[in-house]
Amino acid sequence: EAGVAQSPRYKIIEKRQSVAFWCNPISGHATLYWYQQILGQGPKLLIQFQNNGVVDDSQLPKDRFSAERLKGVDSTLKIQPAKLEDSAVYLCASSLEVGRAFFGQGTRLTVV
Amino acid sequence: AQSVTQPDIHITVSEGASLELRCNYSYGATPYLFWYVQSPGQGLQLLLKYFSGDTLVQGIKGFEAEFKRSQSSFNLRKPSVHWSDAAEYFCAVSGIGGANNLFFGTGTRLTVIP
Repeated sequence: EAGVAQSPRYKIIEKRQSVAFWCNPISGHATLYWYQQILGQGPKLLIQFQNNGVVDDSQLPKDRFSAERLKGVDSTLKIQPAKLEDSAVYLCASSLEVGRAFFGQGTRLTVV
Repeated sequence: AQSVTQPDIHITVSEGASLELRCNYSYGATPYLFWYVQSPGQGLQLLLKYFSGDTLVQGIKGFEAEFKRSQSSFNLRKPSVHWSDAAEYFCAVSGIGGANNLFFGTGTRLTVIP
């Protein structure tokens, strides 16, 4: 079974630039999550999709972050404009059953 | 406020020694409870989960966890630690408000010394 695919693996941008991350979940997984993991901290849920609908985006900084899930499959997370404090690993996960999430390798973003 | 707390930021144990990692939650009702492990260079992996029933649950890699409702705790244990267990461990909760959400604690970093 193929896992959750994320790209790119690494990204370095200057502050105020924009960046986009891509996620391809496990086939058939209706739930898709985006997390932000700052160094030394636990993953923080940014947004949760159920199929192509948003279930929870209460912690997504909507003035600069946006996300969409295309046709209930792939998803993109965008930051525009980026700030220094956005430096983190962005994790995508998908799930078919409660709590059993499968995570991708993540995208490490450095904002300079 | 609703939260998942892992009181220990960093724990060091000798190889072969026993291990207990603490997790406390603060929610109105008992959520679903999980432990995940994040090894260097690898993605988060589910170790075990508790939904209901037997309060002692077994997971992969020889780990187990015990749910104690009276203490709002779900501590992770292993009788004998191996060097390969060195990683970051996260307690997580789900089912808050009936949704398939998944919230993580701050994590405990485990170092294993020879």
